[in-house]
Amino acid sequence: KAGVTQTPRYLIKTRGQQVTLSCSPISGHRSVSWYQQTPGQGLQFLFEYFSETQRNKGNFPGRFSGRQFSNSRSEMNVSTLELGDSALYLCASSLASQNNEQFFGPGTRLTVL
Amino acid sequence: QQQVKQSPQSLIVQKGGISIINCAYENTAFDYFPWYQQFPGKGPALLIAIRPDVSEKKEGRFTISFNKSAKQFSLHIMDSQPGDSATYFCAASKNTGNQFYFGTGTSLTVIP
Repeated sequence: KAGVTQTPRYLIKTRGQQVTLSCSPISGHRSVSWYQQTPGQGLQFLFEYFSETQRNKGNFPGRFSGRQFSNSRSEMNVSTLELGDSALYLCASSLASQNNEQFFGPGTRLTVL
Repeated sequence: QQQVKQSPQSLIVQKGGISIINCAYENTAFDYFPWYQQFPGKGPALLIAIRPDVSEKKEGRFTISFNKSAKQFSLHIMDSQPGDSATYFCAASKNTGNQFYFGTGTSLTVIP
């Protein structure tokens, strides 16, 4: 089976712009979670989607949003980018939405200038 | 606040030695405890995971020890190899979804 894929792998944006990141989960997986990884804060949970519904949400401002499509693919959007949004954004997929093994993609490296 | 505390921050071990990384948690609602390995430029990869109904789980050279009363769990890497050099993260989650709380990571270096 193919693993979790994320596109694009690298992005450079300027402050104030918005960005959309994409994640395709492992075939058959219906849960997609997003994490932000930075050297200072480590891995922090953004949100989880299951069957097109947001199941859980971390402690991030409303500028961070996401959605999931009927084929389980997910997108994450960040509006009005700030310098502090520079990070590796990781997507993880899981078979179901209850304490299951999560498999991570390679991440999207976002740099905000 | 940090829901899962991990130590040490960095670890240097000789080839063939045992690497031990420790994690502690406070929330007794956590009931799934995975360990992830991450190489530079890659996403974290699931190594091994445990649920609180067992005190130990072993997969190859990797063992998780779990102490429910102390709210601690640890990863032991036996016969450590240079290829094990990576950053290791412990994590915990509740039975209400897939929201994982991660430790701050341990950078392991195995010296040949």
